[in-house]
Amino acid sequence: DIQMTQSPSTLSASVGDSVTITCRASQSISGWLAWYQQKSRKAPKLLIYKASTLESGVPSRFSGSGSGTEFTLTISSLQPDDFATYYCQQYNIYSPWTFGQGTKVEIK
Amino acid sequence: EVKLVESGGGLVKPGGSLRLSCAASGFTFSSHSMNWVRQAPGKGLEWVSSITSTSNYIYTADSVKGRFTISRDNANNSLFLQMNSLRADDTAVYFCARGSSQTRAFDIWGQGTMVTVSS
Repeated sequence: DIQMTQSPSTLSASVGDSVTITCRASQSISGWLAWYQQKSRKAPKLLIYKASTLESGVPSRFSGSGSGTEFTLTISSLQPDDFATYYCQQYNIYSPWTFGQGTKVEIK
Repeated sequence: EVKLVESGGGLVKPGGSLRLSCAASGFTFSSHSMNWVRQAPGKGLEWVSSITSTSNYIYTADSVKGRFTISRDNANNSLFLQMNSLRADDTAVYFCARGSSQTRAFDIWGQGTMVTVSS
């Protein structure tokens, strides 16, 4: 099975900061990587798919990059609404849909 | 409005069974793959099972294989998860989520239904 490892587990930042979350796959996933935001264990919200494509309606301060086994989510100029937990998710035909363990972005 | 609403959660004893439902509205249900994802208390998201639009392919996580069965009724815009031989570590909020064949991501999620397995 493909394992997804996110870092850091917790990130403390201030409004206006730029933050980056990393997600590493145990083997290449060819760009099938999505990022989700979850607040207070409510329904997750899709932010980015195919590693770097912004979902409709998601603010442009969110961006994703990466390929192969290493991917990043960057939030430029953190807003109060962005304090939440973020998850990466991979898709591979042989090991479908694994989530990372999550990164909590909290107020510094 | 595109919407997914889960139901059927509750308290069940170890070894018991439960059937979750997910009612879809606001989109062409029969055109989308569908998924179940769970979240145990204090833990992260765990993919459980997925079913293609015509039910021709089903994928299930090893942690529930042989105990949980996903199914769907396209005529009634509904998704199901039959859960048998439930264990304490199945305690979680269960979310249904719409899949995208183009992106392989889950773009619409329900609010979840809580399943508690306890004696």
